[in-house]
Amino acid sequence: DAGVIQSPRHEVTEMGQEVTLRCKPISGHNSLFWYRQTMMRGLELLIYFNNNVPIDDSGMPEDRFSAKMPNASFSTLKIQPSEPRDSAVYFCASSTHPGELFFGEGSRLTVL
Amino acid sequence: AQKVTQAQTEISVVEKEDVTLDCVYETRDTTYYLFWYKQPPSGELVFLIRRNSFDEQNEISGRYSWNFQKSTSSFNFTITASQVVDSAVYFCALSNQGGSEKLVFGKGTKLTVNP
Repeated sequence: DAGVIQSPRHEVTEMGQEVTLRCKPISGHNSLFWYRQTMMRGLELLIYFNNNVPIDDSGMPEDRFSAKMPNASFSTLKIQPSEPRDSAVYFCASSTHPGELFFGEGSRLTVL
Repeated sequence: AQKVTQAQTEISVVEKEDVTLDCVYETRDTTYYLFWYKQPPSGELVFLIRRNSFDEQNEISGRYSWNFQKSTSSFNFTITASQVVDSAVYFCALSNQGGSEKLVFGKGTKLTVNP
């Protein structure tokens, strides 16, 4: 069975550019999460959806970040405009049981 | 406030040694869940275990075992007879609303098992 699929795996962009990260959750999973991982701050929950509805976006750093889940099989995390401090690994995860998350391989973002 | 502390930043052992990874948590909730995840060098996090606050029974799964003690707010993870493939970063996590989807992660412990 396919796991959580994220794209792109690596993204290098310049400050001010728009970045869109994509995620396809595991089929049948009703919850989807976006996490950010950095050395300084560790793993931070940015936002999570349940049945395609955003439940908690308190971790979204600021208005430059937005996330959508138009259907059960697709989600995006957008950063506009990007800044160097946004450089991190962004993980998407999905689950069907509370706390038992299945993570994708992550999207490593570098903003120059 | 909910918090997870993994005091050991890095641990290095030789293959076949036993190793214990410490996890201390803070929460005001009476109902909560604790988790361990493994992040191998490939990057994706892998779920290992979930424990609820009402079940203090120790758990064993092969070479892995977990010791949950509410009296000390700890949920420690022991790997018996470690192997090189156990090398990874291990994260302890807490759900702050009793089964909620929202996990608070510790900073992780990097385990290196040397041949």
